[in-house]
Amino acid sequence: NAGVTQTPKFQVLKTGQSMTLQCAQDMNHEYMSWYRQDPGMGLRLIHYSVGAGITDQGEVPNGYNVSRSTTEDFPLRLLSAAPSQTSVYFCASSSPGQGVDEQYFGPGTRLTVT
Amino acid sequence: GESVGLHLPTLSVQEGDNSIINCAYSNSASDYFIWYKQESGKGPQFIIDIRSNMDKRQGQRVTVLLNKTVKHLSLQIAATQPGDSAVYFCAENRGNAGNMLTFGGGTRLMVKP
Repeated sequence: NAGVTQTPKFQVLKTGQSMTLQCAQDMNHEYMSWYRQDPGMGLRLIHYSVGAGITDQGEVPNGYNVSRSTTEDFPLRLLSAAPSQTSVYFCASSSPGQGVDEQYFGPGTRLTVT
Repeated sequence: GESVGLHLPTLSVQEGDNSIINCAYSNSASDYFIWYKQESGKGPQFIIDIRSNMDKRQGQRVTVLLNKTVKHLSLQIAATQPGDSAVYFCAENRGNAGNMLTFGGGTRLMVKP
């Protein structure tokens, strides 16, 4: 199993550009989520999904959209990038009933918005 | 709002010594507390967790202590090694759908050889 994969690893955007951060998992996990991590801080939840077709907002959802058309994929879309969205983005997945110790994180995407 | 936070941003220890990393939380309704280790350029890696009905849990070289009276969590690492150098985060889970986590701000552990 590849686990949780994220692409790209690095991205530089200009203010106002849009892009999609990809996240995929091959563990058949129902739960997937997106976090952002600003320098020197812990992760903050952006959006999450408890299953295909179901998404919900986390702590910092503004400026981001998500969709969950398949169990495997959970892309994060930035509609109009802003410098405040410069951060490292982590995707995570887990299954219900397994508890948080079974939550797997991807390697992250480092995004810079100029 | 309610949050999970850390007392010390940086901890420097000598190789072989024990390390103690502290965390304060404010939400008494949390069910689960988790410690993660994050190495540079990588995602968080699970270390150990503890349920709210426990006050101590031990793993390999690590022990987590939970004091619900003062809402305090600590991670003890025995015989700290250079490979333990990383940023450590505490996080809480409220037993909600999706296993969502609320993270603290992180402590950087530096191990001197």
